[in-house]
Amino acid sequence: EAGVTQFPSHSVIEKGQTVTLRCDPISGHDNLYWYRRVMGKEIKFLLHFVKESKQDESGMPNNRFLAERTGGTYSTLKVQPAELEDSGVYFCASSQGGQKIQETQYFGPGTRLLVL
Amino acid sequence: AQSVTQLGSHVSVSEGALVLLRCNYSSSVPPYLFWYVQYPNQGLQLLLKYTSAATLVKGINGFEAEFKKSETSFHLTKPSAHMSDAAEYFCAVRTGYSTLTFGKGTMLLVSP
Repeated sequence: EAGVTQFPSHSVIEKGQTVTLRCDPISGHDNLYWYRRVMGKEIKFLLHFVKESKQDESGMPNNRFLAERTGGTYSTLKVQPAELEDSGVYFCASSQGGQKIQETQYFGPGTRLLVL
Repeated sequence: AQSVTQLGSHVSVSEGALVLLRCNYSSSVPPYLFWYVQYPNQGLQLLLKYTSAATLVKGINGFEAEFKKSETSFHLTKPSAHMSDAAEYFCAVRTGYSTLTFGKGTMLLVSP
């Protein structure tokens, strides 16, 4: 069974440009999460989809970030326009479904974003 | 609000020595606790999780952790370190449906 995949693995862009990150969850997983780790800091929650709906987007830093999950399969996270402080590693995770807070979240390898 | 504190950003051990990575949590409700590991250039992999069934939790690769409510701790241990254990380890707590709250991570360095 394929794990969570993320694309690209690395992205280097200039301040003001747009970048779109993609996440493909484990097949059949209804829950999809985005997290971010800024250098030297802890991994922080951004948002949570249940199928195509946003369940919780309390961690999204500002309106330059737009997440979508059309059709309830893969998800994209767009940053527009990118700022220097957006640099970091963006992780995607997925879990199967149902209201189980002890459920395991399976993480992808992350996308390393560097904004110059 | 829940939080996690991992003591020590770096821990160095010799191969064969005991591994002890510390994690303390703060939570107003019974917590669900997780340890994840990240090997170089890979994603986070679940080592083990505490879900109130047993206070001593055994995970993969010989790791285990003990939940101690009185100390609000969930320290990760392994009796004998292997070179392949060198990685970054994250403690996390979950008390809401969506969010995992992570500690800052501890880099484990294993020397021959």
